[in-house]
Parts: sequence; structure tokens; C-alpha cells
Amino acid sequence: QKEVEQNSGPLSVPEGAIASLNCTYSDRGSQSFFWYRQYSGKSPELIMSIYSNGDKEDGRFTAQLNKASQYVSLLIRDSQPSDSATYLCAVYNFNKFYFGSGTKLNVKP
Amino acid sequence: DAGVTQSPTHLIKTRGQQVTLRCSPKSGHDTVSWYQQALGQGPQFIFQYYEEEERQRGNFPDRFSGHQFPNYSSELNVNALLLGDSALYLCASRPRGLRNTEAFFGQGTRLTVV
Repeated sequence: QKEVEQNSGPLSVPEGAIASLNCTYSDRGSQSFFWYRQYSGKSPELIMSIYSNGDKEDGRFTAQLNKASQYVSLLIRDSQPSDSATYLCAVYNFNKFYFGSGTKLNVKP
Repeated sequence: DAGVTQSPTHLIKTRGQQVTLRCSPKSGHDTVSWYQQALGQGPQFIFQYYEEEERQRGNFPDRFSGHQFPNYSSELNVNALLLGDSALYLCASRPRGLRNTEAFFGQGTRLTVV
């Protein structure tokens, strides 16, 4: 079983819609959770971090964490074509990051 | 603040050769980790350095080795290159000792082994 699981997509949404990206993790003791955005051929760029249960909002982005269900999600409101990228979920545990394989998001104009 | 910087950005090597990649961490960060990202995959942890020693290691063979210098910069060395070593190599830095802090990535080095 992988440490971090994501649906590879692609997830296609129309411009202006809400994109919902999901991630599950296997280690119940995990404490820190992150979402990175990665454009093709580029390095991951940190979007959100979340450390406690509930929602955390930053602009158009909302991260949600449910430790009981071992589930992390990222909502992108008012999706823009520039949001089209691969979104990586990362869990920090035992001094290292475990990444999912990423979900490819395609926002259609 | 220059952020995390890596060099070179692109590299082409022949099978069997050796390669050295370099990373300078973000200002104020003393912990450097290296990741390998194959096409279509998430980054895979190679190893982590702080206080000039390897502290954690992922599931990579001994052909992968590293070093950290007193100024916290780091090198990743790969010996006896294989075609399968072709990937984007990412360096990430963070401050040690703080529990909830993010890691920031450099722009990566694209290694192609032919």
C-alpha cells in the first residue's frame, strides 16, 4: 500500500467552476499535510499547508483535513485555465515527505 | 531571498558515467532533502542531510550518495548511471527543529542518461 494515494485524473472542470482534489494517506500518526502545484517540466510549488482537522482557506484555495478518515482535500474556487497543472499531495512523517503521484487538473476556458 | 537554487538545470550523461548535482538551501534553512521524480510520478525521497550528515535514506541503492557542507549547501552524486536514472532531481530545504514548517523546492535538475 502506498503511503499517499491520489486519483491520477485528469480532472476536467470548466472555467469558473470548483475543482475538488482528494488524497488519502496510510499512516494515522501523520501530522503535517501539504498541497503542491506542479506545471509540466517545472518543480513543485507550495500552495497550502494544513496541520489540524478542519478547513484552511487562502484566497481561492481551501484545504480540508480529516485525520479520523485519513483524508486531505483541496478545493479551488473560480478555477482558471492557469490552474491547469498537476497537484501533488504530500504528507510529512518521520522527517521526510511522502508524495502522491499527483492529480492532473485541466481547466477548460 | 534567492530561495532554493539547484545547478545545473539540465544535464545529459552516458550510461556508466558519474554525475554531481548541487543545491543551495533557502536562507535560514539547514536541512536539505533530495528527491527523484520520474515522468508521471510523484517525487521519491532519496535522502536527507543536516549537520553535514545523512540522517534519513529512502529506498535507493548505494550508487546514490551525498554530502552537506558547513554552509548547508548539498551535493547529490550518482555513480554508474543507468538509463532508469533519467529523471527530474529535486532539492528541498526546511528549517530543522520546527514541527510544522513547509519544505520549499528548487527548480530541479533534469538528468537524461543516454
